[in-house]
Amino acid sequence: DGGITQSPKYLFRKEGQNVTLSCEQNLNHDAMYWYRQDPGQGLRLIYYSQIVNDFQKGDIAEGYSVSREKKESFPLTVTSAQKNPTAFYLCASRGGQGGHQPQHFGDGTRLSIL
Amino acid sequence: GQSLEQPSEVTAVEGAIVQINCTYQTSGFYGLSWYQQHDGGAPTFLSYNALDGLEETGRFSSFLSRSDSYGYLLLQELQMKDSASYFCAVRDMDSNYQLIWGAGTKLIIKP
Repeated sequence: DGGITQSPKYLFRKEGQNVTLSCEQNLNHDAMYWYRQDPGQGLRLIYYSQIVNDFQKGDIAEGYSVSREKKESFPLTVTSAQKNPTAFYLCASRGGQGGHQPQHFGDGTRLSIL
Repeated sequence: GQSLEQPSEVTAVEGAIVQINCTYQTSGFYGLSWYQQHDGGAPTFLSYNALDGLEETGRFSSFLSRSDSYGYLLLQELQMKDSASYFCAVRDMDSNYQLIWGAGTKLIIKP
């Protein structure tokens, strides 16, 4: 079955530590996205990538970094510069160029501060 | 600036019909999408409107009026499993065609 796999499901970060969230897709989609969701709020775009070896900052990129070395993988690193990292992180992918093409989401990673 | 407004919470009775409204303010509107998210889960796509009018998919319908910068999601024959948060999202040309999301509407269904 095709889909998006995020791991781990839960992650705890210590002060001053960088942590990396994994996102893998086997849908053969070109575009991939990282969102942050805080309680009772909508999704905010952190980074996105429309093709391998290229990515752009979203609305809240500060304190985060990404790479896109393979089509299937788009890992997100939450750096120590991100002072308020506690949130639900969602990875998505999208195939095709048409506006009607939906985003497909993974099950998310919940990050907390120790 | 870019913004989307939707009610924070709506309550309805099982078997009834409910409408969730969304008004938007964006500079480069390209299309309006609706997603469903159960607590702690992944958002799943429900519908997309690029042109004015009604799109129907089973029990769910979505409407768009571009002149009013307004859309709604209509859920019919409500079932308990429809209890979830519903998000409208605008695809915006001026944001490199990325989605701008509303804060979500929590739908509470009572038996």
